[in-house]
Amino acid sequence: ETGVTQTPRHLVMGMTNKKSLKCEQHLGHNAMYWYKQSAKKPLELMFVYSLEERVENNSVPSRFSPECPNSSHLFLHLHTLQPEDSALYLCASSLDPDREKFFGPGTRLTVL
Amino acid sequence: GQNIDQPTEMTATEGAIVQINCTYQTSGFNGLFWYQQHAGEAPTFLSYNVLDGLEEKGRFSSFLSRSKGYSYLLLKELQMKDSASYLCARGSQGNLIFGKGTKLSVKP
Repeated sequence: ETGVTQTPRHLVMGMTNKKSLKCEQHLGHNAMYWYKQSAKKPLELMFVYSLEERVENNSVPSRFSPECPNSSHLFLHLHTLQPEDSALYLCASSLDPDREKFFGPGTRLTVL
Repeated sequence: GQNIDQPTEMTATEGAIVQINCTYQTSGFNGLFWYQQHAGEAPTFLSYNVLDGLEEKGRFSSFLSRSKGYSYLLLKELQMKDSASYLCARGSQGNLIFGKGTKLSVKP
């Protein structure tokens, strides 16, 4: 497999559920990101990991918890989400933080 | 999108040329990126400008003026498959700040 992959592609969850989104990159990149894309809003950066260390947390609520066990894998753990958290969650990677980002296909999340 | 402005929608005809403009806040600037996003899909990287001038890549070209905080994406010989949203993004301290995107519709 090449590029950036994400699973699941679609997820429906209740407000009391716990779920995790997974991202994997096969590009040998050193930085990984989580972005949120809501309807009619710009892409919003949530978290940045560079060399497996979190370097940015953009005022994201604690119900979103990232994990980066190694430079190829990134998780987003979800717990007690709200309906307004329904969005497309995109993972991206880059060779370093100043270079272009390559995006995965995204997870379409619906919170009921 | 943190002072990144681009038109919301544009319409053009197949075979024509279209220019999508983007203005941005110049403080902390570290490169200007353009992405294409088809409905329901992930953004795909199109171009990157860090110096003033025009970068040409096949049918697509991107221009940057750092002093004016201005960029444009030029699409030539439009095809139906070019119907998509085009996202302007400013590099800043290792991150990307995106505009809301311009939805381009190409008509026959």
